[in-house]
Amino acid sequence: AQSVSQHNHHVILSEAASLELGCNYSYGGTVNLFWYVQYPGQHLQLLLKYFSGDPLVKGIKGFEAEFIKSKFSFNLRKPSVQWSDTAEYFCAVNALRYNFNKFYFGSGTKLNVKP
Amino acid sequence: GAGVSQSPRYKVAKRGQDVALRCDPISGHVSLFWYQQALGQGPEFLTYFQNEAQLDKSGLPSDRFFAERPEGSVSTLKIQRTQQEDSAVYLCASSRGREETQYFGPGTRLLVL
Repeated sequence: AQSVSQHNHHVILSEAASLELGCNYSYGGTVNLFWYVQYPGQHLQLLLKYFSGDPLVKGIKGFEAEFIKSKFSFNLRKPSVQWSDTAEYFCAVNALRYNFNKFYFGSGTKLNVKP
Repeated sequence: GAGVSQSPRYKVAKRGQDVALRCDPISGHVSLFWYQQALGQGPEFLTYFQNEAQLDKSGLPSDRFFAERPEGSVSTLKIQRTQQEDSAVYLCASSRGREETQYFGPGTRLLVL
């Protein structure tokens, strides 16, 4: 079955550590890619998105993600995390060949940053 | 302006009961999405509206699920004869267009006993 995989379900880091969260998808063809974040008690909100062009995408709050087409990956990175980055992170894919309207989400990664 | 709002925030239903979940999108947003999020999972697409037209309902899990957006603004997700497996958070998101940034509401947490 087609899917979006986030292999790390729970990540614990100390402040100032570097972060990389994995996202792999199995849809071929043209894809639009997204990372969403849900801070405790808040709504899901967009961190960054990739539609085309430069595969290295910069988002809010110092986050960036790299689209590697050959690896079907869109990993999220941040060089130095802060306690306020504690949240749940979701990768999402809009696979245009399969369903133009549908957005597929991964199961999420909970990030806990220790002060 | 206000964000996406959803009501009720919490709903407890007895098995077999019908429920209606409301979504008020951001004013002027053409696109509206409904998602179901089970515990420990990511959101799963249910259905998509462009204005009042339901362009995609491929994610609705059964014919007990029905969504409408009759005037192209407020949307209602109705679940008939609720089952325990319908227990989840139901999220609504709206955007200016299908490929534009989706703004999510707080969700309705449905518990079916």
